[in-house]
Amino acid sequence: QLVLTQSPSASASLGASVKLTCTLSSGHSSYAIAWHQQQPEKGPRYLMKLNSDGSHIKGDGIPDRFSGSSSGAERYLTISSLQSEDEADYYCQTSGVFGGGTNLTVL
Amino acid sequence: QVQLVQSGAEVKKPGSSVKVSCKASGGTLSNYAISWVRQAPGQGLEWMGGIIPIFTTANYAQKFEGRVTITADDSTNTAYMELSSLRSEDTAVYYCARGMLSGTGHYFMDVWGKGTTVTVSS
Repeated sequence: QLVLTQSPSASASLGASVKLTCTLSSGHSSYAIAWHQQQPEKGPRYLMKLNSDGSHIKGDGIPDRFSGSSSGAERYLTISSLQSEDEADYYCQTSGVFGGGTNLTVL
Repeated sequence: QVQLVQSGAEVKKPGSSVKVSCKASGGTLSNYAISWVRQAPGQGLEWMGGIIPIFTTANYAQKFEGRVTITADDSTNTAYMELSSLRSEDTAVYYCARGMLSGTGHYFMDVWGKGTTVTVSS
């Protein structure tokens, strides 16, 4: 059974970069995932679909500051030049499975 | 650009049912997987179930099996989620999401509705 594991929290300074991780459970390391952002008091927003080879397809209007990469069973979301509006929860997802989400604080 | 327009907030009594709609504006739902995802206060995203309208058959998370019914009307580009036997723990925001299908059979949600707040209270 597929499980997606995320760290509950992360923090980084304004203007810096941060790399969030989503780990696929054993036997599922070839799976693609999607990354979603949920800002406070808002609904989720699709950021990108990320393949096992690191290629990704971003949603409309997603800034270049957001990028994805992969290594083995890990899927990464990197946000560069952090802005205050990047403070949000970030979820990974494949079909009906969600990770627990990472709450990102911008210091 | 397709948008998913959900029905308005609901307040329900314990033991009753609620039916939430999700209409695609500017596009079609037919060839996509439509999921219903809920979020209880302060909690993460929880998948309840989904349907691919052209196939008409829905599948549900085990937790909600027997209590949730997901349907889709291809002619009106509208999906529905009905949850019965409501209890206070069902108080949450309910989202619909369109999922793009991949060649592996998986889907990735690329358009979200704005959510419908359902409050269950006596």
